[in-house]
Amino acid sequence: AQTVTQSQPEMSVQEAETVTLSCTYDTSESNYYLFWYKQPPSRQMILVIRQEAYKQQNATENRFSVNFQKAAKSFSLKISDSQLGDTAMYFCAFIRTSGTYKYIFGTGTRLKVLA
Amino acid sequence: EAEVAQSPRYKITEKSQAVAFWCDPISGHATLYWYRQILGQGPELLVQFQDESVVDDSQLPKDRFSAERLKGVDSTLKIQPAELGDSAMYLCASSFTGRVEETQYFGPGTRLLVL
Repeated sequence: AQTVTQSQPEMSVQEAETVTLSCTYDTSESNYYLFWYKQPPSRQMILVIRQEAYKQQNATENRFSVNFQKAAKSFSLKISDSQLGDTAMYFCAFIRTSGTYKYIFGTGTRLKVLA
Repeated sequence: EAEVAQSPRYKITEKSQAVAFWCDPISGHATLYWYRQILGQGPELLVQFQDESVVDDSQLPKDRFSAERLKGVDSTLKIQPAELGDSAMYLCASSFTGRVEETQYFGPGTRLLVL
């Protein structure tokens, strides 16, 4: 069975600084996708970034980038130049590409950006 | 920008009562998902529809929960009878075709409190 672990329940960062959220997962699958979703307070969850396991190059979306270490089963999210609007719960999610397709979410990291 | 709609946003009910949640996915999206998010945890898939057909309801407590998407558009999730442990956020999401790499678009959720 697949599992996703986010070991940092809460984090804070000063505005304009850089912060890294960690995520580890366990699977025996060879190909899969990993995602980071953001859930702002009282607003809907939105996709931040995705990574296919077969792609060695780390995904980047503007100020958001990932450090994907397949052998270590690690998928961390780096937020550069943090903004107040980045304050949210961040969920790491895994989905395999064979069999039944459904997200396995971690327990989330609550990030607060401080002015 | 098109969004997933859910209603009601909040629901308070007494145990043993029936409750129903409604979801209207983004127009044209074939795949619809219902998730349950217990406080402090990540979302867990309850049921997945492809058009009007259920493709995964393995985590749906079928003795009390039911879901339908009769015309392959909007969907209703029902709980009867509600139990104290059902208190949670119920999220609806949709995606265009259901392919694993696709973004899932989430609604704002229905927060259920069972007294």
